[in-house]
Amino acid sequence: DTAVSQTPKYLVTQMGNDKSIKCEQNLGHDTMYWYKQDSKKFLKIMFSYNNKELIINETVPNRFSPKSPDKAHLNLHINSLELGDSAVYFCASSRQGGDSPLHFGNGTRLTVT
Amino acid sequence: AQSVTQPDIHITVSEGASLELRCNYSYGATPYLFWYVQSPGQGLQLLLKYFSGDTLVQGIKGFEAEFKRSQSSFNLRKPSVHWSDAAEYFCAVGQNRDDKIIFGKGTRLHILP
Repeated sequence: DTAVSQTPKYLVTQMGNDKSIKCEQNLGHDTMYWYKQDSKKFLKIMFSYNNKELIINETVPNRFSPKSPDKAHLNLHINSLELGDSAVYFCASSRQGGDSPLHFGNGTRLTVT
Repeated sequence: AQSVTQPDIHITVSEGASLELRCNYSYGATPYLFWYVQSPGQGLQLLLKYFSGDTLVQGIKGFEAEFKRSQSSFNLRKPSVHWSDAAEYFCAVGQNRDDKIIFGKGTRLHILP
């Protein structure tokens, strides 16, 4: 069983489009995250949710909107995609916050053309 | 500001040789420390973590790391590397349950046959 699963694995789209990435975890964790990994492999946190409540929002453009329907799911919707949004987006979960290990999904590679 | 530094962008070692990857952090209090590994096209996998207690921690795949408070370091070591260890390695730091985990910029490990 996959602990943290995200779909799709690849997403190729044109500038200006709107797209969503879905994430689900079956670990029973309370906290979920979205991280962005750029072309230089730098990982930067975007959002975290604890039990459906937004905890961290790291100066991400408001074109990015996370949604957590329940504590096992955290989706990411991106409006008006730009070239600079091209990256790998990782979903992760943990029992709680900064003192718990993260469990990562396999990533979604977003390419905006 | 909290920060994590991995001074080596690339490291190349021969198969069977020993390995040490460096990590330095800047935090106000005793941090929670992690090492993750990312194989190509995959998410990040936890290798080991340090929360408290014995400063030498053992992880999976034969890796270990040593926490040195005086040097603000948490270096990752392996006595004998295998070709399958070629990957990107990330040091990460968190502080408390309400905090986020931040990542270093990663070290790419290359293995020579």
